[in-house]
Amino acid sequence: AQKVTQAQTEISVVEKEDVTLDCVYETRDTTYYLFWYKQPPSGELVFLIRRNSFDEQNEISGRYSWNFQKSTSSFNFTITASQVVDSAVYFCALSEAYSGGSNYKLTFGKGTLLTVNP
Amino acid sequence: ETGVTQTPRHLVMGMTNKKSLKCEQHLGHNAMYWYKQSAKKPLELMFVYNFKEQTENNSVPSRFSPECPNSSHLFLHLHTLQPEDSALYLCASSQDRGGNQPQHFGDGTRLSIL
Repeated sequence: AQKVTQAQTEISVVEKEDVTLDCVYETRDTTYYLFWYKQPPSGELVFLIRRNSFDEQNEISGRYSWNFQKSTSSFNFTITASQVVDSAVYFCALSEAYSGGSNYKLTFGKGTLLTVNP
Repeated sequence: ETGVTQTPRHLVMGMTNKKSLKCEQHLGHNAMYWYKQSAKKPLELMFVYNFKEQTENNSVPSRFSPECPNSSHLFLHLHTLQPEDSALYLCASSQDRGGNQPQHFGDGTRLSIL
């Protein structure tokens, strides 16, 4: 079973539409961290946000917002009024400790390719 | 400008060649990583270095040989690669191995094996 599931392989929207990227994770740890990264065509993964397992407060940053719900093990990402520059692959990732130790491992989902058309 | 620089950006090599990928981070981080990104697959962690010491080798074939001379530099030496090794190789760094530390990535090296 995948630890991080991004069920949407590809999404295509028209500029100014809102779009939500889904992420469902699986872990037995009580302390863990969730991340979203953006990978534009240039290749570099750009860090967008981090959430720890104890903080379910939703966050908004400009046109981006994130909804973290532990009850459903989901960490969804919404882009409001999408723009062409938002076109990229978006990755959700889960950080868990190795065997109860202090080192953590980051596991990525397969990513969602978002295409925003003008 | 990214704080993690990878060279070269593109590399085409034959299966018998020897080449090296280079990664340099300017963020003062202590942990560095190599990832492999193949089409339609999740990012695969290959190696982890923490304070110059290798702390993880994710069952990577010996034809990939990492080197970390200091906390700012990471190399991936390539030898006798196979066509299935063609992929985007990404380097990343983080402050340490703590779970709350985001990893910062370079632009990657696009490797093609002929």
